[in-house]
Amino acid sequence: KNEVEQSPQNLTAQEGEFITINCSYSVGISALHWLQQHPGGGIVSLFMLSSGKKKHGRLIATINIQEKHSSLHITASHPRDSAVYICAVGKGGATNKLIFGTGTLLAVQP
Amino acid sequence: DAGITQSPRHKVTETGTPVTLRCHQTENHRYMYWYRQDPGHGLRLIHYSYGVKDTDKGEVSDGYSVSRSKTEDFLLTLESATSSQTSVYFCAISLTNGPYEQYFGPGTRLTVT
Repeated sequence: KNEVEQSPQNLTAQEGEFITINCSYSVGISALHWLQQHPGGGIVSLFMLSSGKKKHGRLIATINIQEKHSSLHITASHPRDSAVYICAVGKGGATNKLIFGTGTLLAVQP
Repeated sequence: DAGITQSPRHKVTETGTPVTLRCHQTENHRYMYWYRQDPGHGLRLIHYSYGVKDTDKGEVSDGYSVSRSKTEDFLLTLESATSSQTSVYFCAISLTNGPYEQYFGPGTRLTVT
């Protein structure tokens, strides 16, 4: 079993819909990261959080440390949100190594 | 955007040839990482560096070596490329070892024929 699991693997939405992507992990962590990767593109960090909730524009990330679960929400989705969203956890320690989920492919249709 | 470049961006090579990928940063970050990205797998750590001449193995290090002689450069070498090393390779940097964001380079697409 992977230490970081994301669901769903694929998601298709209509423009304007509210979107939720989930991430569950099975290890102790120092922080959880959400990343975005556009097709053929680089990887961009969206959020890093270790408790509670963060918001940036139409994106909201939450984490429940006790349940080892995080969600990424996109409000009023737009076709430009189409990308792969990747969850990663940092286990702490001396090197800031991350363990990555396999990603959620989101397609937002106009 | 963090100042991270990778070279080359695309490479096709033959089985058995040596290949070196370069990651260059202008941010003076101490930690640097090499990952590979393959369909069906999350990003997987190949090697990482926590300072000049200080490197260690990640989870998929077999067949790869690294060197870091300057803060700004982290080289990944495939001594004798195999088809299983066909992948997209990403370099990342981090300022500290604490909970801190990693910033990724644009990636190198390597095809081994």
